[in-house]
Amino acid sequence: KAGVTQTPRYLIKTRGQQVTLSCSPISGHRSVSWYQQTPGQGLQFLFEYFSETQRNKGNFPGRFSGRQFSNSRSEMNVSTLELGDSALYLCASSLDGAGANVLTFGAGSRLTVL
Amino acid sequence: AQRVTQPEKLLSVFKGAPVELKCNYSYSGSPELFWYVQYSRQRLQLLLRHISRESIKGFTADLNKGETSFHLKKPFAQEEDSAMYYCALSRPGGSEKLVFGKGTKLTVNP
Repeated sequence: KAGVTQTPRYLIKTRGQQVTLSCSPISGHRSVSWYQQTPGQGLQFLFEYFSETQRNKGNFPGRFSGRQFSNSRSEMNVSTLELGDSALYLCASSLDGAGANVLTFGAGSRLTVL
Repeated sequence: AQRVTQPEKLLSVFKGAPVELKCNYSYSGSPELFWYVQYSRQRLQLLLRHISRESIKGFTADLNKGETSFHLKKPFAQEEDSAMYYCALSRPGGSEKLVFGKGTKLTVNP
C-alpha cells in the first residue's frame, strides 16, 4: 500500500511569507502527527491530529498551525516565516489504540527560509 | 517534562564487533520506549518497541526501569547497520506524541 506522502518535497521562502505543507497518510491511519527536524534540536513534536481534531500540541508558537480533513489528509501552515523555521518537516501517520505510537514517516518537506 | 538522552552523537565500530547504543530517559512512570532508525536516503522507520520484546535485524533492547535506560544492542555489527538511530518515548496521557532523543550516528567499518 502507498506510504505517507508529503508535498512539496522542497521549497524556498523568504522571511515574512507563509507556507502550507501537505501530508497524505497511509490508508486507514486516522492519526497524523508533525515533527520539525533540525541539526541542532533534532526531532521536535509540533502537533497531532486525529479525526479532524488536534489531539496534542508541542511547544511551538502560534505561527505554526495545522488541520486535518475528513479523509485524514493533513496540512500544516507556518505564517510570518523566520530564518529559524528552516528545517525538515516530517509527517507521520499511525493507527489508534495499541499501534498509536508506531509511526510511519513521510520523506519530509524541506523548507528553506531566506 | 520527559526527556530522552542519547549520550553518543557518533559511534564507530568494526564489522563483527558488538555494538551498544545508549538511551536514557527521565520519566518516573511507565513509558513506552522505541528505537527508530534512518538508513541513508531512506525514511525514518520503526526498528523495535520494548513491549514487543522482539529481536529485529539482530538488535535487541531491554527496558531497565531502575536505571531508566533502553539501550540498543547487537552482538555482531554489520556494515548495513550503519544508520542514524533514534530512541523515543511515549508516556500515558502525555502532551507529545513521541519524544525523540537527538540520535546516534552509527558507522560500521569493514
